[in-house]
Amino acid sequence: DSGVTQTPKHLITATGQRVTLRCSPRSGDLSVYWYQQSLDQGLQFLIQYYNGEERAKGNILERFSAQQFPDLHSELNLSSLELGDSALYFCASTHGRDRGLNRGGYTFGSGTRLTVV
Amino acid sequence: GQQLNQSPQSMFIQEGEDVSMNCTSSSIFNTWLWYKQDPGEGPVLLIALYKAGELTSNGRLTAQFGITRKDSFLNISASIPSDVGIYFCAGLPWGGAQKLVFGQGTRLTINP
Repeated sequence: DSGVTQTPKHLITATGQRVTLRCSPRSGDLSVYWYQQSLDQGLQFLIQYYNGEERAKGNILERFSAQQFPDLHSELNLSSLELGDSALYFCASTHGRDRGLNRGGYTFGSGTRLTVV
Repeated sequence: GQQLNQSPQSMFIQEGEDVSMNCTSSSIFNTWLWYKQDPGEGPVLLIALYKAGELTSNGRLTAQFGITRKDSFLNISASIPSDVGIYFCAGLPWGGAQKLVFGQGTRLTINP
């Protein structure tokens, strides 16, 4: 158990629908990162939150949004789902906000496998 | 944006063989990390490298931070069945916010 909790583990939904993925970071970690991993692909950075505020944005579609709540858990909202959105969605956490404040990379959760049919 | 080129994409080896994989980039990275991902799980950190030229071992794993800051390699010696999985390199770009960039992964398959 990495300490990063993601729910649900699996999600099957139809095109056009909206889903919410949830992440609880490791205790004490203030930064949450969301990554998308499509079949046989690497990890694509979507968005980062630090202590409730958006910190960095990657290749995140306008149909996707995220937020981090006061208790530091984060939710990734995916709307108007398309078949191509089927992927593994990972959340990771670290303590710090910027380079130099923490070492050792990110701690990842086990992911949510989203299947859009 | 910054990209990491990881090779090979896949490897099929016999148990007991040594493995070598690497990552290169056209831009400088501040930190290099190597992760392993088992099926159905998130990536797990194997080795972290923070200085150019640094060589670090973790059991049968050895990784190096290239002197130019643009590359890194990971070696696995005497492979065993539990080494099967996908290995990712990741780097923190120099001068940017703390956002890891990942390579495309190397899928390792071991024949007993």
